[in-house]
Amino acid sequence: EPEVTQTPSHQVTQMGQEVILRCVPISNHLYFYWYRQILGQKVEFLVSFYNNEISEKSEIFDDQFSVERPDGSNFTLKIRSTKLEDSAMYFCASSEAGAVNTEAFFGQGTRLTVV
Amino acid sequence: AQSVTQLDSQVPVFEEAPVELRCNYSSSVSVYLFWYVQYPNQGLQLLLKYLSGSTLVKGINGFEAEFNKSQTSFHLRKPSVHISDTAEYFCAVTRSNARQLTFGSGTQLTVLP
Repeated sequence: EPEVTQTPSHQVTQMGQEVILRCVPISNHLYFYWYRQILGQKVEFLVSFYNNEISEKSEIFDDQFSVERPDGSNFTLKIRSTKLEDSAMYFCASSEAGAVNTEAFFGQGTRLTVV
Repeated sequence: AQSVTQLDSQVPVFEEAPVELRCNYSSSVSVYLFWYVQYPNQGLQLLLKYLSGSTLVKGINGFEAEFNKSQTSFHLRKPSVHISDTAEYFCAVTRSNARQLTFGSGTQLTVLP
């Protein structure tokens, strides 16, 4: 069964460093998403991406964050200069279409720890 | 803006007992409602969704949920749980014209032998 894969499963980085989280969405999907979950808090929407551009983003997704689809398979989230409060589980998701009745498939997450 | 409240952070229940996980939402516009499950070390998996029509929605693994507009609730139920149902369950909502999901804080269901 096709699945969304995320690498690495756990990343530790020093405060102020740049980090790139990688995702391989399901191959025929067109919409891509990033969510995050700070420990003990809710899963929060960060950004959605379609046709090589951001279609929606939340207040959390400030200038420190960027997304890219560098080739035909990967979808990345870059945090330019990490802060302690960026420590969280980051989930990538993809869907065939953008309609809400289209299921979004989630990856297993990347746990980012900023020290 | 919409929000989701999951009233119970932890629900322990014995195997073969029924369970209800509660979810309330608030929104000024029409919404669609979802339940996701997360097993340990795995991603979020869709259990069921309410878009329109019948207010009783059946999902995978024997779960069902009922949309109650007057009480703004979307509680998840299963008549008889198994050990394998132990997981974290998330209620989520989205506006009818948007794609982003707003999640609740999650309920950890632990099924005891």
